[in-house]
Amino acid sequence: DGGITQSPKYLFRKEGQNVTLSCEQNLNHDAMYWYRQDPGQGLRLIYYSQIVNDFQKGDIAEGYSVSREKKESFPLTVTSAQKNPTAFYLCASSIGQGPVEQYFGPGTRLTVT
Amino acid sequence: GESVGLHLPTLSVQEGDNSIINCAYSNSASDYFIWYKQESGKGPQFIIDIRSNMDKRQGQRVTVLLNKTVKHLSLQIAATQPGDSAVYFCAENIRGSQGNLIFGKGTKLSVKP
Repeated sequence: DGGITQSPKYLFRKEGQNVTLSCEQNLNHDAMYWYRQDPGQGLRLIYYSQIVNDFQKGDIAEGYSVSREKKESFPLTVTSAQKNPTAFYLCASSIGQGPVEQYFGPGTRLTVT
Repeated sequence: GESVGLHLPTLSVQEGDNSIINCAYSNSASDYFIWYKQESGKGPQFIIDIRSNMDKRQGQRVTVLLNKTVKHLSLQIAATQPGDSAVYFCAENIRGSQGNLIFGKGTKLSVKP
């Protein structure tokens, strides 16, 4: 089956620890995205990557970092600098080349205490 | 599951009725619009999209209408079913923004059997 996988579904961390969220796609998509969703809110863009070895900050990049070493993988690290890391994190991908549908993964719920 | 429905506008309809979910946008340079459905604790699923050179687009049981004069987008769901209960998001792409989507806050659709 083609699609986007995110793991784990639920993640718990202590305050002050960095944590990396996994996102893998086998759709052969060029573009990948990370969003954050808080209760009662829409999705906010954290980082995006249009091509391997290149990525750009979105609207709320502070306290996050990413890498894009492979086309199919776009891991997100939530660092200790992120003031309110508890949220639902969604990864998406698209074929790129302008505005088209983005396909979403199932999400990772991160809780930091 | 993820409580994405907190404090959202809610539309309650009877099973079998038609549903209309509305979305306003503010940027006249927006050239692509998309509707997603999100069930609790899951990633958004594509419903239908429309480009700014169109006024209407139909899918299976769904229709999207775009009124560029008043910057308004609507999603019509025919013969609404209990399985349609979810949060619905509209998103827009602003021309020149590399396909990045800006999401609205969402509307919760509740279908009464």
